Amino acid sequence: GAVVSQHPSRVICKSGTSVKIECRSLDFQATTMFWYRQFPKQSLMLMATSNEGSKATYEQGVEKDKFLINHASLTLSTLTVTSAHPEDSSFYICSATASGGYNEQFFGPGTRLTVL
Amino acid sequence: AQSVTQPDIHITVSEGASLELRCNYSYGATPYLFWYVQSPGQGLQLLLKYFSGDTLVQGIKGFEAEFKRSQSSFNLRKPSVHWSDAAEYFCAVGAMGGGNKLTFGTGTQLKVEL
Repeated sequence: GAVVSQHPSRVICKSGTSVKIECRSLDFQATTMFWYRQFPKQSLMLMATSNEGSKATYEQGVEKDKFLINHASLTLSTLTVTSAHPEDSSFYICSATASGGYNEQFFGPGTRLTVL
Repeated sequence: AQSVTQPDIHITVSEGASLELRCNYSYGATPYLFWYVQSPGQGLQLLLKYFSGDTLVQGIKGFEAEFKRSQSSFNLRKPSVHWSDAAEYFCAVGAMGGGNKLTFGTGTQLKVEL
């Protein structure tokens, strides 16, 4: 149990276009989902926290107008990178956690975004 | 705010040798501690976690970790490393009341020599 999927696994786009990444919890209801960004050979940096039905909370330095996060249901959150530029190229990972107390985060397999 | 330090960026061990990856944390109260493993181009897999209770925690794939409050450490150990253990290892700390947020260390890259 506790499986989180991401789609797509890889995406290549042209500069200036927008890209949507989906994060789904397949076998549990995720009241909270997290989006991370990971540069090559570096650690995970939390971008934002999203709670179902609420606006996402962004970490300091993350542009909320550039990285749009929607958590419309208990099993789906989306990250849209708007007007992508080459510097947005990165590995994006989502995680999900269920409700109640302190809960373990379950991570998706990640999405490799390359902006040309 | 909590923080995590993994002092070793790279570690190389021979297959069959023992392994210890270091993790030190900074947090004012009792932390929730995690070790994750990441293979290239993949997401994170949880190896083990400490919330409370017994300070020696057993995980998957033969890994264990010991919480030492006096040293603010949560080192990961394995008695005999397999070539398939080569990967990136991340220590992370969370806090009750922190909205389930995790703070990750910078990771340790493990290389296993055959």
